[in-house]
Amino acid sequence: AQKITQTQPGMFVQEKEAVTLDCTYDTSDPSYGLFWYKQPSSGEMIFLIYQGSYDQQNATEGRYSLNFQKARKSANLVISASQLGDSAMYFCAMRDGGNTPLVFGKGTRLSVIA
Amino acid sequence: KAGVTQTPRYLIKTRGQQVTLSCSPISGHRSVSWYQQTPGQGLQFLFEYFSETQRNKGNFPGRFSGRQFSNSRSEMNVSTLELGDSALYLCASSLSPDNQPQHFGDGTRLSIL
Repeated sequence: AQKITQTQPGMFVQEKEAVTLDCTYDTSDPSYGLFWYKQPSSGEMIFLIYQGSYDQQNATEGRYSLNFQKARKSANLVISASQLGDSAMYFCAMRDGGNTPLVFGKGTRLSVIA
Repeated sequence: KAGVTQTPRYLIKTRGQQVTLSCSPISGHRSVSWYQQTPGQGLQFLFEYFSETQRNKGNFPGRFSGRQFSNSRSEMNVSTLELGDSALYLCASSLSPDNQPQHFGDGTRLSIL
């Protein structure tokens, strides 16, 4: 069964610094997709970035990049130049190639300090 | 392009009642998924629909049901409400039920008294 683990319940980062949010996953399917979402205190879930298991390069979207290490089964999110508006819960999620739903980790609460 | 629309945004019910939540996906999206989010359990998958067919169902009791209409809009129904059903219910849509990003609505916050 697919599984997502986020080991950092909470993280603090200084404004303008970079921060890495950890995510490890487990699946026996060679085809899968990894996703990161941001959930501000208002509740909406915002899609940030996607990495496919066969993608050769790490995904990037603006200040977000995904450090994909397939052998280690890790998909860490890197946020560069943190902003106060980045303070939120961040969820890592995975869907494998079978008829399985999207599975979420428990999330990491990021707090950006001025 | 309009996003995923969930109605109502807030709902207060009492134990034993039933409730219906609605979700209108992004135009062109044919896959709709529902999730329950609580502080204790996190995000838990409820259902996934594609072209009016339920593709997946999470580990929830039969009191939780859903459906998808031909215009891809979806509803979920919870009968005989319990205090533990208090949660944020999130709907997400995607083009298809594979590795396409799911885009979420703002959710319906259900409180059971």
